[in-house]
Amino acid sequence: ETGVTQSPTHLIKTRGQQVTLRCSSQSGHNTVSWYQQALGQGPQFIFQYYREEENGRGNFPPRFSGLQFPNYSSELNVNALELDDSALYLCASSLTSGGDNYNEQFFGPGTRLTVL
Amino acid sequence: AQSVTQLGSHVSVSEGALVLLRCNYSSSVPPYLFWYVQYPNQGLQLLLKYTSAATLVKGINGFEAEFKKSETSFHLTKPSAHMSDAAEYFCAVILRSGSARQLTFGSGTQLTVLP
Repeated sequence: ETGVTQSPTHLIKTRGQQVTLRCSSQSGHNTVSWYQQALGQGPQFIFQYYREEENGRGNFPPRFSGLQFPNYSSELNVNALELDDSALYLCASSLTSGGDNYNEQFFGPGTRLTVL
Repeated sequence: AQSVTQLGSHVSVSEGALVLLRCNYSSSVPPYLFWYVQYPNQGLQLLLKYTSAATLVKGINGFEAEFKKSETSFHLTKPSAHMSDAAEYFCAVILRSGSARQLTFGSGTQLTVLP
């Protein structure tokens, strides 16, 4: 069973540029969540995708956007990069099976983004 | 809204000593509560979770946590620290965002284990 993978591992961009981060879900999972972890802080929820649609969003501006593909992999896109976007971006996959049960989110290793 | 507070951003213990990492939650109903561990340059790994079953939850690597509703606490403990336990630990609770279930994390506690 393959776990959650993310690419690239590290990325350096300059202010104003755009970036795309990628995530492959764990086998059998249909839901992907993205989190931003600034240095010295806990992860902050960006958004979640289920069945290729965004079904929840945290307190992040519209320049943070995403996609989920039919194979349940996902992309996080950030436009007009700012210095404060420098962070570790974590992807987590889970299986949404209906009802009110919570299903564990499994995290990838993250992508370290540095904005200069 | 549910949130979590971790007391102590840095905790140091000697190898073999008791580990106690504190977490308090704010909620009017018993929530889902979690402890995650993060090793340097890695993602998050689930240590244990509370889902309204037994109040004493046992996790991996010898860790356990006790849900205390009267104290709104979910502290993480391990009887004897090992050098390999040095990492950052996050307490988290589930929060609804639309139809999504998001993890809301505390600010983390960096555990140092001294030889």
